[in-house]
Amino acid sequence: DAGVTQSPTHLIKTRGQQVTLRCSPKSGHDTVSWYQQALGQGPQFIFQYYEEEERQRGNFPDRFSGHQFPNYSSELNVNALLLGDSALYLCASSLRPGTHGEKLFFGSGTQLSVL
Amino acid sequence: AQKVTQAQTEISVVEKEDVTLDCVYETRDTTYYLFWYKQPPSGELVFLIRRNSFDEQNEISGRYSWNFQKSTSSFNFTITASQVVDSAVYFCALYNFNKFYFGSGTKLNVKP
Repeated sequence: DAGVTQSPTHLIKTRGQQVTLRCSPKSGHDTVSWYQQALGQGPQFIFQYYEEEERQRGNFPDRFSGHQFPNYSSELNVNALLLGDSALYLCASSLRPGTHGEKLFFGSGTQLSVL
Repeated sequence: AQKVTQAQTEISVVEKEDVTLDCVYETRDTTYYLFWYKQPPSGELVFLIRRNSFDEQNEISGRYSWNFQKSTSSFNFTITASQVVDSAVYFCALYNFNKFYFGSGTKLNVKP
């Protein structure tokens, strides 16, 4: 049973560039959330996708966008990269969103460095 | 506003010592969930426990135990007889309104 997989593992970009990160959820899960984890900090919620639509969004600018495909996999896109976007980007999957505190399963993340 | 505070940035103990990681949360909602996750050097967050706001019963799982006290808005995590493999960053998180709010984490170093 494959867990949450993310690609690539590491990425180096320069300021102003655009980047796409990819995530495949755990088998049986249909909801994907993305988190940004800066060095020494806890994960910060970016957004959540369910049924190919963005359902929830954290306090991130429009430069951060996403997509969910019919097979439940997801992409995170960041445009006009800033130095401050350097972080570990974590993908988490769960069952459909609700109010029951669904347990998140995390991938190992993509380490993005912006130079 | 929802907020999770983990005041202990880093803790170092010697193997076999007991250690408690503190977590204090803020929310105005009466229905919420609290979580603990472990993040080893590999980066993947590993689920440890989930508690809903109506269940204040303490829980023990092997060497791990959790103390949930609504009166003090705390959800503390104790590792008994710590081992080197327990070395990691531990995150406390609050879930409500379909969002997770993580604390800044406590780095635990267990020395042999």
